[in-house]
Amino acid sequence: ELKVEQNPLFLSMQEGKNYTIYCNYSTTSDRLYWYRQDPGKSLESLFVLLSNGAVKQEGRLMASLDTKARLSTLHITAAVHDLSATYFCAVDIFTGNQFYFGTGTSLTVIP
Amino acid sequence: DAGVTQSPTHLIKTRGQQVTLRCSPKSGHDTVSWYQQALGQGPQFIFQYYEEEERQRGNFPDRFSGHQFPNYSSELNVNALLLGDSALYLCASSGGRATSGVSYNEQFFGPGTRLTVL
Repeated sequence: ELKVEQNPLFLSMQEGKNYTIYCNYSTTSDRLYWYRQDPGKSLESLFVLLSNGAVKQEGRLMASLDTKARLSTLHITAAVHDLSATYFCAVDIFTGNQFYFGTGTSLTVIP
Repeated sequence: DAGVTQSPTHLIKTRGQQVTLRCSPKSGHDTVSWYQQALGQGPQFIFQYYEEEERQRGNFPDRFSGHQFPNYSSELNVNALLLGDSALYLCASSGGRATSGVSYNEQFFGPGTRLTVL
């Protein structure tokens, strides 16, 4: 069975600092998605990564994909409080038929 | 353009009862997937509907069933509810897309239905 693991599970960081969230998955896939979830809310799509070496950036967040290492990273630059949320990566191995989600990383940015 | 909508927002049931949750996909989307998200965990895939048929199913018992209508909306039915079925149930819709020759199906999620089983 496909496993998708994220680390860390919990991350507390100060405003202005940088950090990286890691997403490892256990089978071949070249489609990886990052989502954000605020408490009690649904999932908001952040990034779609479709090939080895793909890099996407939006504001203070940058995501990358290394399909050979089966690894994706979500890098946070100069964190601000508004980025506090839970971040999930999801792997798609049947062209969108079934997403496998990671365990989630709960990020808290402290002023 | 309305996004994915779900109803009801919250639901409280007792063990053994049956429940039906509803989902309307984003305009232009023809595929609906259902996920169960227990507290503190990532969403778990239940099944996906396309052209009114179940196309893919996750590791959920037969108590979980679904339906897709000609207008692409969908229902999730859960029979013989257990305490462990308490969760946020998310519906996601998608439509085939392609970029640079790569096809993919980005999923857009609805607000969810919070089910509590007592």
